[in-house]
Amino acid sequence: DAKTTQPTSMDCAEGRAANLPCNHSTISGNEYVYWYRQIHSQGPQYIIHGLKNNETNEMASLIITEDRKSSTLILPHATLRDTAVYYCIVYTGTASKLTFGTGTRLQVTL
Amino acid sequence: DVKVTQSSRYLVKRTGEKVFLECVQDMDHENMFWYRQDPGLGLRLIYFSYDVKMKEKGDIPEGYSVSREKKERFSLILESASTNQTSMYLCASSRILQTNYGYTFGSGTRLTVV
Repeated sequence: DAKTTQPTSMDCAEGRAANLPCNHSTISGNEYVYWYRQIHSQGPQYIIHGLKNNETNEMASLIITEDRKSSTLILPHATLRDTAVYYCIVYTGTASKLTFGTGTRLQVTL
Repeated sequence: DVKVTQSSRYLVKRTGEKVFLECVQDMDHENMFWYRQDPGLGLRLIYFSYDVKMKEKGDIPEGYSVSREKKERFSLILESASTNQTSMYLCASSRILQTNYGYTFGSGTRLTVV
């Protein structure tokens, strides 16, 4: 599975959009980009995933560049409850192990 | 609401004890996983299973074993607990093709070995 690079931490004001970047320059054609988040003392939670096209669901939007070497997770109106560690993971989606990096710690403030 | 349930939220055991961590999922998922999470080290895969009675070693299997006798249940066993196994343990499950929700995680078991 391809390696990802994320900033260690980010801050965002409540009500503003949080844009979390992820670089995955070695991504293969059959690898998806998945995003999870982990709120303190809980298990990671799936947010969204995509292959080539931009995706949106009730939680977030995922923007993938045309060359697929990077992506951005967008939380359109961040709240204090969005404070968490966000993991960007690239893998094929088949029965292989999921490897988590250290993620981005997002702090949403008043 | 689909769930992965871990039997204990907090557990304290003595060095040398045999410890069982239980995980049950109600989604009929084929795959199940055990991770441990430690500060600064992130999530590390211990063991996983593709099917009943099948198991595969992850990145850090030493000191652990697993059991999957039924599709919905995946147990992690610490044969002789040691203090360096104090950690947060997370169970997860998924379909063979994780095309929608990827992995679903339990809430974790915080194990302390004294």
